[in-house]
Amino acid sequence: QKEVEQDPGPLSVPEGAIVSLNCTYSNSAFQYFMWYRQYSRKGPELLMYTYSSGNKEDGRFTAQVDKSSKYISLFIRDSQPSDSATYLCAMGQGGSEKLVFGKGTKLTVNP
Amino acid sequence: GAGVSQSPSNKVTEKGKDVELRCDPISGHTALYWYRQSLGQGLEFLIYFQGNSAPDKSGLPSDRFSAERTGGSVSTLTIQRTQQEDSAVYLCASSPQGPSGNTIYFGEGSWLTVV
Repeated sequence: QKEVEQDPGPLSVPEGAIVSLNCTYSNSAFQYFMWYRQYSRKGPELLMYTYSSGNKEDGRFTAQVDKSSKYISLFIRDSQPSDSATYLCAMGQGGSEKLVFGKGTKLTVNP
Repeated sequence: GAGVSQSPSNKVTEKGKDVELRCDPISGHTALYWYRQSLGQGLEFLIYFQGNSAPDKSGLPSDRFSAERTGGSVSTLTIQRTQQEDSAVYLCASSPQGPSGNTIYFGEGSWLTVV
């Protein structure tokens, strides 16, 4: 079992839809969780950072962490064509500077 | 520059040749990372620098891979005797301290193709 599992998609939605992206993980030592957005031929950029279980909201984006289920989610409200990108989850643990990434989910928002 | 700068942006090399990939981190960032992204794969950790030392090089896939950092700034990733499976995007990132408490910022990558 891989440490981090993420459905690669692709996922195609109409503009204005609510998008749900998810990752599961097996390592209970992970303490901090991130979502990155990566446009084609660009480097990943950080969207959301959360530490421990709970919700975090930033504009149209909400990140959820459920450590008991080893499950994290990213919700995008009122999705826009500019949200079309690959979304990567990443996680890390205290004492290690290494992040473990999911394979990414490719999202297309159609106008 | 304002962001992490990587060069070359694209490199095509023949199997068996050596390549050097350069990373210039954001000024003042003490932590520097190299990751590799192969087609259809997530980012794979290679090595982490704090200043000029590399406390974690556990992700380097073989002894053909090495990296150094000088002056607490520029880093070079060297791949010797390249193989076709080395074809990937090599991403460099930097952070003020480390990812556990800080954002890490990625460059746009060096796209390596071994033919």
